[in-house]
Amino acid sequence: AQSVTQPDIHITVSEGASLELRCNYSYGATPYLFWYVQSPGQGLQLLLKYFSGDTLVQGIKGFEAEFKRSQSSFNLRKPSVHWSDAAEYFCAVGAGRDDKIIFGKGTRLHILP
Amino acid sequence: DGGITQSPKYLFRKEGQNVTLSCEQNLNHDAMYWYRQDPGQGLRLIYYSQIVNDFQKGDIAEGYSVSREKKESFPLTVTSAQKNPTAFYLCASSIARRTGAPHTDTQYFGPGTRLTVL
Repeated sequence: AQSVTQPDIHITVSEGASLELRCNYSYGATPYLFWYVQSPGQGLQLLLKYFSGDTLVQGIKGFEAEFKRSQSSFNLRKPSVHWSDAAEYFCAVGAGRDDKIIFGKGTRLHILP
Repeated sequence: DGGITQSPKYLFRKEGQNVTLSCEQNLNHDAMYWYRQDPGQGLRLIYYSQIVNDFQKGDIAEGYSVSREKKESFPLTVTSAQKNPTAFYLCASSIARRTGAPHTDTQYFGPGTRLTVL
C-alpha cells in the first residue's frame, strides 16, 4: 500500500527566505502526487499536482515541486516566502484503484518577520 | 459560484447524542469524501462515495454513518458509538470515477466543521 511521510512537523523561515518542504512516498509504481495548503480553521486548497511528464511542476502562489523517482520524493519549494504563506502544508499520494488519496501528517510553516 | 459548502462551521454535542454534518456541492462531481482531522494526524478517510446510492468505508468508519441519496449531498452522522468525536471534519469532492483507473482526480475541499463534544 502507498504511504506518505513528511519528516518535518514544523518549519520556521524568515520572510523573503527560500523554502523547501520535504515529502517522501512509498509506492511500487509511478504515483500521483499532490501538495495542498490549509490556513487555520479552513479547508485544503490544491497547490499543484504531478501525474506524468515534466518532473518539475509549477503551482499557484509561486510554489513548485520536483518529482525525483530515485529518491521517492516530491519536495515543495518557493524561492521567497511571504508572511501570508504561514499555513499547514500536506503532501498526498493517489495510486490505488480504489479512488483514495493518502495524506501525510502535514508540515506547519511559520514565518518570521 | 461553484464550490463545496459545509454546515455548521461549529457544532457542539452532548455525549450520547447523534449529530449530522452537512456537505453540499454544486460542482457536478460524482465522488465525495469525508475526512477527520486531528492535530498532528493529518487527514484520515472516514467514508467515500463514488456514485449516488453507493458508498464505501474508509480507514476510520467505526461510529460514523453516511448516505448518498443525491449527487449534490453527502451528509455524515456522528453516532454515539464514536468514542472520541471531537475533531475537525472535512468534506471533499472530485470530478468522476473512472472504473479500474488509479485515483488521479483533484479533490476539492469544503471549509470544514469543528465538532466539540461537551
